[in-house]
Amino acid sequence: NAGVTQTPKFQVLKTGQSMTLQCAQDMNHNSMYWYRQDPGMGLRLIYYSASEGTTDKGEVPNGYNVSRLNKREFSLRLESAAPSQTSVYFCASSEYWGSYEQYFGPGTRLTVT
Amino acid sequence: GENVEQHPSTLSVQEGDSAVIKCTYSDSASNYFPWYKQELGKRPQLIIDIRSNVGEKKDQRIAVTLNKTAKHFSLHITETQPEDSAVYFCAASAAGGTSYGKLTFGQGTILTVHP
Repeated sequence: NAGVTQTPKFQVLKTGQSMTLQCAQDMNHNSMYWYRQDPGMGLRLIYYSASEGTTDKGEVPNGYNVSRLNKREFSLRLESAAPSQTSVYFCASSEYWGSYEQYFGPGTRLTVT
Repeated sequence: GENVEQHPSTLSVQEGDSAVIKCTYSDSASNYFPWYKQELGKRPQLIIDIRSNVGEKKDQRIAVTLNKTAKHFSLHITETQPEDSAVYFCAASAAGGTSYGKLTFGQGTILTVHP
């Protein structure tokens, strides 16, 4: 099992460009999450999907959209990238909503110039 | 919503010493407290967790203690080794309310173990 995978690993965007970060898990998990990690701020929840067909905002959703494509895949879209979105993005999954333990992907390092 | 504060932000110890990282939380409904270790350039990985019906949990050289009355929990690493050098994150999650199903993370502690 690959666990949680993310693509791409690195990305550089210019201000105003758009892109989609992809995440997939092969653990048959029901819940998936997107976090951003900034120095000194821990991991902050952007959006989550408690189960297939549902998505909801987390702590810092502005400037992002998500799609739960199917049970395996959960994508994060930046419609018009801003320098403030320079960060490391982690996708995570858990067995079901409220099952507590989350498994993280390897991360995507995004730089917006 | 939940707020988790973590201290210290950096911690430097000599190999063989103990290291303690402390976190406080605000939501009295929180009942799950995991600790994640993140090595440089890697993903966060769960190293130990504790639930609110337990006061202490130990796994080899690491232990976590929980004081629900004071709303704080701590990670203890004994006999530290250079491979313990990493960023450690605490987190909290609740069984109900607005924090249900979500992890709220502390700001992280950079632990450096000097040989």
